[in-house]
Amino acid sequence: KQEVTQIPAALSVPEGENLVLNCSFTDSAIYNLQWFRQDPGKGLTSLLLIQSSQREQTSGRLNASLDKSSGRSTLYIAASQPGDSATYLCAVSEMDTGRRALTFGSGTRLQVQP
Amino acid sequence: EADIYQTPRYLVIGTGKKITLECSQTMGHDKMYWYQQDPGMELHLIHYSYGVNSTEKGDLSSESTVSRIRTEHFPLTLESARPSHTSQYLCASRQGSNEQYFGPGTRLTVT
Repeated sequence: KQEVTQIPAALSVPEGENLVLNCSFTDSAIYNLQWFRQDPGKGLTSLLLIQSSQREQTSGRLNASLDKSSGRSTLYIAASQPGDSATYLCAVSEMDTGRRALTFGSGTRLQVQP
Repeated sequence: EADIYQTPRYLVIGTGKKITLECSQTMGHDKMYWYQQDPGMELHLIHYSYGVNSTEKGDLSSESTVSRIRTEHFPLTLESARPSHTSQYLCASRQGSNEQYFGPGTRLTVT
């Protein structure tokens, strides 16, 4: 059974810092990996999708890497801003079935101080 | 930007009532999902659908039921709500194995 772990659980940084969020998963047989952002009481906003054959994806100030063999992904946020404050979720899409459902980590709660 | 909608956004209802949470997507996606998320906890899959007339239970046991009569519509029904059903319910869709998009969620409180 796939398990996804995110470290740290919470992070508080001053504005302008670069930061790294970590995600690990126990079963390397994944189809792809997605990073999401969730604001309090809201749904999920997709940030980046990395296919299993890819090593990284970039969008603006965000860069996500994937090392499938070691079961790890990182989300790098450059020059953090107060608007980046949210919970960041990592999720892997299963390979073995056609349903392609996501298994989620419990998230990293980020607070960027102005 | 994904076009996936959920109504109501918030619902407070008494024990024993029947409720239906609506989910619609306008992207023509074949796969749709319902996830449940308790406050501060992980999301867990409770139902999914491969397409019209195809529904399956997810990994987390749920007393809710779903239907998929039309591609764009995937409602979730609780026949008799209980306080243990209090949670946030998130609907999602994807085409094939592409990016999964989520709706804004329904926050359900059963008193």
